[in-house]
Amino acid sequence: DIQITQSPSSLSASVGDRVTITCQASQDISDYLNWYQQKPGKAPKLLIYDASNLETGVPSRFIGSGSGTDFAFTISSLQPEDLATYYCQSYDNIPRFGQGTRLEIK
Amino acid sequence: QVQLQESGPGLVKPSETLSLTCTVSGGSITSYYWNWIRQPPGKGLEWIGYIYYSGRTTYNPSLQSRVTMSVDTSKNQFSLKLNSVTAADTAVYYCARGEFYASGSSNFDFWGQGTLVTVSA
Repeated sequence: DIQITQSPSSLSASVGDRVTITCQASQDISDYLNWYQQKPGKAPKLLIYDASNLETGVPSRFIGSGSGTDFAFTISSLQPEDLATYYCQSYDNIPRFGQGTRLEIK
Repeated sequence: QVQLQESGPGLVKPSETLSLTCTVSGGSITSYYWNWIRQPPGKGLEWIGYIYYSGRTTYNPSLQSRVTMSVDTSKNQFSLKLNSVTAADTAVYYCARGEFYASGSSNFDFWGQGTLVTVSA
């Protein structure tokens, strides 16, 4: 089974900062990694699919990159509404989620 | 715009069966994969399984012995049953539309708002 390790588990940053979250897979998953945003009390929302493709309507400050085993999710200029927990997700025989990164605004 | 809405009891007794239904509107259920995903309070996301409109199912091996999913295309609904529940099954349960490709790509693009199910006597 593929293991997905997401880091950090939490981070705090200021409005306008560049923020990066990473996910590492235990084996090559090509570019089959997605990123979700979950705001408090809400359902997750798909932001990026297949590593770097922006879902329709998602702001361009959200950027995904990587392939193989190492992936990154970047917010180029943090906004107050980006307060949320972010999850990566991949698939081998079943869908698997990362542990989540709680993003706080300073 | 596709919308999903979960419904069902918010409280289930230990050893009994949790039953939830997801109603899909704004699109047909006769395509895509229809999923259940849960999230224990303060914890991460766990995929439970999916059902295709044909009735074909795939479940998480960790829950497979206790899970049953069904679909009613005439009502644009799909359902989850989880039997022999314990306190560890207390979670927010989400239904979600999914895409799964033979290449290995998959994602969940539309989600319900979620419903909290508490297992307690």
